[in-house]
Amino acid sequence: GAVVSQHPSWVICKSGTSVKIECRSLDFQATTMFWYRQFPKQSLMLMATSNEGSKATYEQGVEKDKFLINHASLTLSTLTVTSAHPEDSSFYICSAPRPTATGELFFGEGSRLTVL
Amino acid sequence: AQTVTQSQPEMSVQEAETVTLSCTYDTSESDYYLFWYKQPPSRQMILVIRQEAYKQQNATENRFSVNFQKAAKSFSLKISDSQLGDAAMYFCAYKLMTGNQFYFGTGTSLTVIP
Repeated sequence: GAVVSQHPSWVICKSGTSVKIECRSLDFQATTMFWYRQFPKQSLMLMATSNEGSKATYEQGVEKDKFLINHASLTLSTLTVTSAHPEDSSFYICSAPRPTATGELFFGEGSRLTVL
Repeated sequence: AQTVTQSQPEMSVQEAETVTLSCTYDTSESDYYLFWYKQPPSRQMILVIRQEAYKQQNATENRFSVNFQKAAKSFSLKISDSQLGDAAMYFCAYKLMTGNQFYFGTGTSLTVIP
């Protein structure tokens, strides 16, 4: 079946540094990928839509300069948390829609970011 | 605007028993898809079952089945013969037939009691 892989699964960094998270679709091409943020015991909060070859579309309230998204190929999207601060600590999840009629989402494993 | 509501933040079920998780949604569209996703403690979201709104027949996947009531805008998930591995957070989701935008409910945390 379709698989989306996300890396790293967890990362700890110091405040002020930048962290890059990769999301790869392993067996299908994804012109669109989604980045979510999830707080403990809560639902997914859509941060942005990553579009291959063009700028990402950010949801209201999400700082595009803080959360840089690059979708340079049909199988790879990256999220870079720049100048990370403790309040950026969270679980980040990427997903890609399967290229079928229903377009169900396939999710990466998620990345736990802890900013010290 | 499309909204998805899961009114049960937490549910529990005895192992081998049946449990039903509820989901309602609000839309003015007639063509859409509905999904149930499972998020186990490992945190990776997994697709459990999908339903096309134009199909009257309820979808089933092994021990998982749905009760899709289009007029009532209801899409409940029934888990039969519950297993310990079913313990997870379950999210109901809605998607229009066109586009890629998904709308997720707030989730139901399911505990399976041995």
